[in-house]
Amino acid sequence: GQQLNQSPQSMFIQEGEDVSMNCTSSSIFNTWLWYKQEPGEGPVLLIALYKAGELTSNGRLTAQFGITRKDSFLNISASIPSDVGIYFCAGQNINSGNTPLVFGKGTRLSVIA
Amino acid sequence: DTGVSQDPRHKITKRGQNVTFRCDPISEHNRLYWYRQTLGQGPEFLTYFQNEAQLEKSRLLSDRFSAERPKGSFSTLEIQRTEQGDSAMYLCASSLAGGAQGTQYFGPGTRLTVL
Repeated sequence: GQQLNQSPQSMFIQEGEDVSMNCTSSSIFNTWLWYKQEPGEGPVLLIALYKAGELTSNGRLTAQFGITRKDSFLNISASIPSDVGIYFCAGQNINSGNTPLVFGKGTRLSVIA
Repeated sequence: DTGVSQDPRHKITKRGQNVTFRCDPISEHNRLYWYRQTLGQGPEFLTYFQNEAQLEKSRLLSDRFSAERPKGSFSTLEIQRTEQGDSAMYLCASSLAGGAQGTQYFGPGTRLTVL
């Protein structure tokens, strides 16, 4: 089945630093999504990408849909303590009728003040 | 504007008991999904509905699991004869069918602990 490889698994960074994480797939997706999850809560949508090559920002967050359609990255600029959480990438193939999301295992972000 | 809601938020049960969880999607969304998440993993798809029709079930959904969405609004997920391996966070998501509107929004989850 489809698998997403998300890296790094975890990151410890100083407040104010920039962060980059990425996700690669063994197969093509036509939608990439990035979610953030905090302890005891459900994933919260951060950014949705629908076209290969698309670059989208949401405040300090920027994500790109790779041109091969098999990868995506998420950048966070000038990190702050409330950025702490687990970031998940998810892929979806709407056109093929495969609507369930396939998730990576997450990147756990810790921000040191 | 209410998001996806789930009830209960936490459930502790003994092995062998039956449990039922409820999900209320975003009101205009016609698709509803159930996922399961274990510690250190991303959510894994269980099943989804479009309106009241259950369109897909994953291999993770054993015979002890059943999901319904009788009126195309809220959904229930029942686990019969629970096992310790069923301990997980059960997440519900909803979306509109099709294209960019198909983006899935998640509820807060129900954490199940089977003793």
